[in-house]
Amino acid sequence: DAKTTQPPSMDCAEGRAANLPCNHSTISGNEYVYWYRQIHSQGPQYIIHGLKNNETNEMASLIITEDRKSSTLILPHATLRDTAVYYCIVRLYSGTYKYIFGTGTRLKVLA
Amino acid sequence: EAQVTQNPRYLITVTGKKLTVTCSQNMNHEYMSWYRQDPGLGLRQIYYSMNVEVTDKGDVPEGYKVSRKEKRNFPLILESPSPNQTSLYFCASSFEGTNSPLHFGNGTRLTVT
Repeated sequence: DAKTTQPPSMDCAEGRAANLPCNHSTISGNEYVYWYRQIHSQGPQYIIHGLKNNETNEMASLIITEDRKSSTLILPHATLRDTAVYYCIVRLYSGTYKYIFGTGTRLKVLA
Repeated sequence: EAQVTQNPRYLITVTGKKLTVTCSQNMNHEYMSWYRQDPGLGLRQIYYSMNVEVTDKGDVPEGYKVSRKEKRNFPLILESPSPNQTSLYFCASSFEGTNSPLHFGNGTRLTVT
């Protein structure tokens, strides 16, 4: 199974870009990388996903390295409301799709 | 509004008393799944369903049952709850066979005494 490795915690100043790294060195060619975040104990909220190319939406940007072994989620202008646990997830397929959640990165945005 | 709805949000029960946690989605998703979340262990999949009448075990299915009689509903059943099933539970759904993301409900915090 492709697993992900993330730093357990990070701090970011309000208004600055938050760059959250993820290592997924065992990822296979057709496995997508998804990012979710969880605020307190609410349901995980989808942020963005990608396969090979960099992606951007209204919430964030996703940069995937050329060899696909790592990626970075970028929150361009972090706010206090972005304080959450961020999960980098690889979705693999074995008969059906399976999402492998790790323990995530706890991001704290500081005023 | 597109959403996954779980009920109840909080539940306290005693060992051995059967309970059901309901999950409903209004997005016509084929795929539905249940997860439990425990400190230090992340989210672990309990059961999933690829469509009506098609269910299969996830990573931690012991002590749980599910059914999928209708596309929109995927209840989680604990026939004889035990204290080690005290956890935060999430239901999720998505379209099957595409790269569309999982949509999660807001969770059910279960305490078994």
